[in-house]
Amino acid sequence: EDQVTQSPEALRLQEGESSSLNCSYTVSGLRGLFWYRQDPGKGPEFLFTLYSAGEEKEKERLKATLTKKESFLHITAPKPEDSATYLCAVSFGNEKLTFGTGTRLTIIP
Amino acid sequence: NAGVTQTPKFQVLKTGQSMTLQCAQDMNHEYMSWYRQDPGMGLRLIHYSVGAGITDQGEVPNGYNVSRSTTEDFPLRLLSAAPSQTSVYFCASSYLPRGYQETPYFGPGTRLLVL
Repeated sequence: EDQVTQSPEALRLQEGESSSLNCSYTVSGLRGLFWYRQDPGKGPEFLFTLYSAGEEKEKERLKATLTKKESFLHITAPKPEDSATYLCAVSFGNEKLTFGTGTRLTIIP
Repeated sequence: NAGVTQTPKFQVLKTGQSMTLQCAQDMNHEYMSWYRQDPGMGLRLIHYSVGAGITDQGEVPNGYNVSRSTTEDFPLRLLSAAPSQTSVYFCASSYLPRGYQETPYFGPGTRLLVL
């Protein structure tokens, strides 16, 4: 069964303290990996799409990378407004997405 | 563009009642889907559609019906609500895959409480 695992479940960082979130998956024909940000009471907000091992995407303080078995979301010098739950989703060869359970990130001023 | 819109934002139902959750998109996306989000379980696919007149089941379809009469709209019907259907429901849309999966965009969600 294709699975997506995100770690850690929760992460607390001081403002300016860089770190990485992990999304690992079992391989069965990866057709896309997606990162979303979700604020409380809101829908998932699209951040990045990655398709091939070695691919990297950047947006402000966020950088997403992809290998054959996992993806990392690197957060550089985070600010309190980066606090949110970050979701990873993978397409395994059909139109359906498999989601991880998310990482709840808290940035402390 | 409004993107993906959902109504209502919040609904309380009694066990056994029926209701329809509305979803609409104005991006001319062929693919639309419904997910439910429960604590600790991630988003799970309920039903999806690859175009008008075509629907199929996802991971957790029991107790839900869908139809797709237009490209823009994809309503989700609860036939006889149960407390286990208390959840947050999200609609998503994207272009159909062309080699690779296209990026899905999500609506703001409907919070449903079944008493």
